[in-house]
Amino acid sequence: QLQLVESGGGLVKPGGSLTLSCAASGFTFSDFYINWFRQAPGKGLEWVSYINGVGSVIYYADSVKGRFTTSRDNAKNSLFLQMNSLRAEDTAVYFCARDRGSTNCPDCFSGVFDSWGQGTMVTVSS
Amino acid sequence: DIQMTQSPSSLSASVGDRVTITCRASQNINTYLTWYQQTPGRAPNLLIYAASTLQGGVPSRFRGSGSGTEFTLTISSLQPEDFSTYFCQQSYSVPWTFGQGTKVEIK
Repeated sequence: QLQLVESGGGLVKPGGSLTLSCAASGFTFSDFYINWFRQAPGKGLEWVSYINGVGSVIYYADSVKGRFTTSRDNAKNSLFLQMNSLRAEDTAVYFCARDRGSTNCPDCFSGVFDSWGQGTMVTVSS
Repeated sequence: DIQMTQSPSSLSASVGDRVTITCRASQNINTYLTWYQQTPGRAPNLLIYAASTLQGGVPSRFRGSGSGTEFTLTISSLQPEDFSTYFCQQSYSVPWTFGQGTKVEIK
């Protein structure tokens, strides 16, 4: 059964750091782009970052560029989001999600997300 | 960035009602439009992609249409499990962007 499970959220002070993890199961993890999204309390969804299957292509939203780092360990079927210099506006539930990809293009993304984790809450507050 | 605007932001409806939600893109995105359903405290669930293709396992009462800049999600006969928030998202270009959501509530 396809599953993504986030962990690592918590309360952190402004300027602090936190690392989120996303554990995948039920599919060939290295074949898929994985994305991070976030959702502030009562708000809509915001894309944060994506990483390709082998970890060689990584892209970030402008709002987190230079502060967040996405990586993956395909041997452990895991994705990570290292978050530094955290701000109050980073407070949100963070989700990892699988890009469904393209059958015609093995290392392509589609921008369509067919499986999401349950999310992990990050609160940045003094 | 492509801006996505949904309307209405919320609506009240009864079981059995036909419901239509509109999503507009700030530029032409062809049919690179996806719809998700989200219930409180849960992750989004993929309903429709490529504007009108139903994800496997999604009931046929959900229908998506549109192209270019205007899209609609229609639920033909609202069921109790459909009372949720619905988001549209463009998959035309990075950064992926979402509408602000439409909350469907029980009348």
